[in-house]
Amino acid sequence: DTAVSQTPKYLVTQMGNDKSIKCEQNLGHDTMYWYKQDSKKFLKIMFSYNNKELIINETVPNRFSPKSPDKAHLNLHINSLELGDSAVYFCASSQASIAGYGYTFGSGTRLTVV
Amino acid sequence: AQSVTQLGSHVSVSEGALVLLRCNYSSSVPPYLFWYVQYPNQGLQLLLKYTTGATLVKGINGFEAEFKKSETSFHLTKPSAHMSDAAEYFCAVSDAYNTDKLIFGTGTRLQVFP
Repeated sequence: DTAVSQTPKYLVTQMGNDKSIKCEQNLGHDTMYWYKQDSKKFLKIMFSYNNKELIINETVPNRFSPKSPDKAHLNLHINSLELGDSAVYFCASSQASIAGYGYTFGSGTRLTVV
Repeated sequence: AQSVTQLGSHVSVSEGALVLLRCNYSSSVPPYLFWYVQYPNQGLQLLLKYTTGATLVKGINGFEAEFKKSETSFHLTKPSAHMSDAAEYFCAVSDAYNTDKLIFGTGTRLQVFP
């Protein structure tokens, strides 16, 4: 019974395509996140949502659009994919109302743009 | 702004030897500090965290870390390395005013030799 699940696990697509990654958490957490991990393993926050409200929107191209239909789901849609978008994308959740709670991560989606 | 520096992108130890992974942080307010482990092709798993109270915190798999405010450090240790400890380790920081955001270090790859 996976706590934070992402689909798909692997995604290979051509430049210019549009793709979506889905994330669901069954932990009852109030906040969800998208992180990007590049080829050097560096993790950078992209977005966070608290109870469906966008809280953090880092400097990310507007080709990336998150959507949170409810507090258990946070999807990431990417338009006009570019080679530089190739990375592993991690979804995470937390109970941000509790200071220092920490995150639970999904297993990641490896996006390869060719 | 908060930041985390992990000294040494690669650390190699022999099985049974002491593991020491270094992490220094920068924060203008009392920090919350975390260590995460990432095994190949997996998501990040919380090893341990410091929020308040006892400065020596114990985590899973025999790891522990000590918060030293005077040195702005939160180094991760394990007395005796096991082959299964080989992974990427990430230090991260947040605080009571930025509970929505974890800032990660660049990671340290731990190799364990027989």
